[in-house]
Amino acid sequence: EAQVTQNPRYLITVTGKKLTVTCSQNMNHEYMSWYRQDPGLGLRQIYYSMNVEVTDKGDVPEGYKVSRKEKRNFPLILESPSPNQTSLYFCASIGPGGQRYNEQFFGPGTRLTVL
Amino acid sequence: SQQGEEDPQALSIQEGENATMNCSYKTSINNLQWYRQNSGRGLVHLILIRSNEREKHSGRLRVTLDTSKKSSSLLITASRAADTASYFCATDERTGANNLFFGTGTRLTVIP
Repeated sequence: EAQVTQNPRYLITVTGKKLTVTCSQNMNHEYMSWYRQDPGLGLRQIYYSMNVEVTDKGDVPEGYKVSRKEKRNFPLILESPSPNQTSLYFCASIGPGGQRYNEQFFGPGTRLTVL
Repeated sequence: SQQGEEDPQALSIQEGENATMNCSYKTSINNLQWYRQNSGRGLVHLILIRSNEREKHSGRLRVTLDTSKKSSSLLITASRAADTASYFCATDERTGANNLFFGTGTRLTVIP
């Protein structure tokens, strides 16, 4: 089944403890992206990747890192999480025909709480 | 960035009624998309309308686009309780990049 998967789905952690949220897609998509969703703010893009070893900042990259060593995986790294990074995180990749029309496939989301 | 804005923020209707949601954006676009999100879950793509199109249909969905007003509307006809969700519009800037800019969403509740 074609899908975008994220792990973990839920995570409660403490300030300063490094964590990684994994994202994987099995559709051979080149473009992948991370968003965070907060009440009243909608989805905001954190980082995106146009292809392997090509990453770029989105609207809210501060406090986050990403890597794209292989096409299927695009992990989101929080080196020193802070409470303002408590949010719902979504990974997405561009779908069929999406290289022209940008239809994005979303993962199920990761709810992160930083205490 | 050019984040879209949906209107209204929340909408509550009876099953069988039509639901209309609006989206406004700021800069020139290549296309506009509508997504649906069930509570706490990932977004699901509903429909895409290109900048040179004015109207598009998909099942019970009808999308219009007015590039002169930089606005779009999503109409869901004969609504069902299962349509209860948040609906987001997303636009891309006319730069050739793949990035999408999402609005804050309209929360639709369909009462059985």
